[in-house]
Order: sequence, then structure tokens, then C-alpha cells
Amino acid sequence: DADVTQTPRNRITKTGKRIMLECSQTKGHDRMYWYRQDPGLGLRLIYYSFDVKDINKGEISDGYSVSRQAQAKFSLSLESAIPNQTALYFCATIDSNNEQFFGPGTRLTVL
Amino acid sequence: AQRVTQPEKLLSVFKGAPVELKCNYSYSGSPELFWYVQYSRQRLQLLLRHISRESIKGFTADLNKGETSFHLKKPFAQEEDSAMYYCALWSFQKLVFGTGTRLLVSP
Repeated sequence: DADVTQTPRNRITKTGKRIMLECSQTKGHDRMYWYRQDPGLGLRLIYYSFDVKDINKGEISDGYSVSRQAQAKFSLSLESAIPNQTALYFCATIDSNNEQFFGPGTRLTVL
Repeated sequence: AQRVTQPEKLLSVFKGAPVELKCNYSYSGSPELFWYVQYSRQRLQLLLRHISRESIKGFTADLNKGETSFHLKKPFAQEEDSAMYYCALWSFQKLVFGTGTRLLVSP
């Protein structure tokens, strides 16, 4: 089955470390998204990409960067992690009907 | 500005009771609205969208443009409906999510 996958699934790191979260998809979708989920705040958009040359900031992009290495791969980086970036991170794709398909999530803890 | 409001953080009902999860939106054009569900320890998945006007797992949602609402309803809740529910609005190539409502169905 075509899918959206994320690695790692869980990560504990320390303040100031650089972290990369990876997302791959086999759905063949051009549009990919990164969200973070926090209790009581729902899902907030960090970055999104329409293709390898088109990267856009979301509502909470500060402290994050992304790389679209190929149609199938979209990575999220925290250059210098801080504790308030502790959250559940989701990658997602969107099809031509605007239906979003989510990955399983990465639980990141910054100590 | 585009916004989705889900006023209830938690909705607790007994099995067999009716359920209504509220969603209000603000959007200047013709809205495209969705409900997503997240069961415990699982990824978010689409429950339904207003364009298709389907009933999925017994849930329905009607778009009311006058009240700018897209409430999710089910006449008889089941324990397996316990989950986190998100209302979302499609706007400028991205989804705007509400803060979510946790539905807890007790036996």
C-alpha cells in the first residue's frame, strides 16, 4: 500500500542539538507538509512544499528548516533544539482532492 | 483571517447517547471543510468531507453557511468512537485545523 512514513518514531535529545526528522512517501503526491501537535493547540503548520523547488513557511516556522530532497522525501530540521519544541511531529501529503494523508508521527523530547 | 474553532476540548457521553461535536469557521469565500479523527496511538485519518456528503461510521456533518458551522453528529455513540476529532478548513493550499475535541464514550 502506498504510504507516508516517518523516521525516527521517537527521539530524545538535549537543548542545543541539531535534529533531523525524515519523511518519505510512496503515494506519488507533489504536496507535502510538516505539522506539530501539542495538547490543547491542535495541529499547527510548520512548512509545506509543492515540489522540490517550492518551499513555503507555515504559521510556526521559526526555529525550523526543511529540505525537499525529492518528490518523495521531505525532511524537517531543528538547528538548535529547545525544550518548547518538545511535541509530536507529523508529516503529511495531499492528493488532488485535497485529502491529507498523515504519517505515523515522531515524538520528540528536548531536555 | 481563516479560522476554525472547536469550543469543546472534551466531550464525554455514555454509549448509545447522541453526539454532536461543534465546529465553527471563518472564511471569506466558499469553504471546503473536513473532519479528521485520531484514534489512540494512531495517525490522523480523514473521517468525512462536506463535499461528499457521506455518512462514515454513522457520523454526518452538514455545512451551515448562515451559522458558519460544520458540526459532526452521530445519533448513537459507540465506545470505539472514543478519539480525538479535528475540524479543518481548506484555505490557500493548506488545511487550517481547529484545536480538536476529545470524545470519550463510556460503557
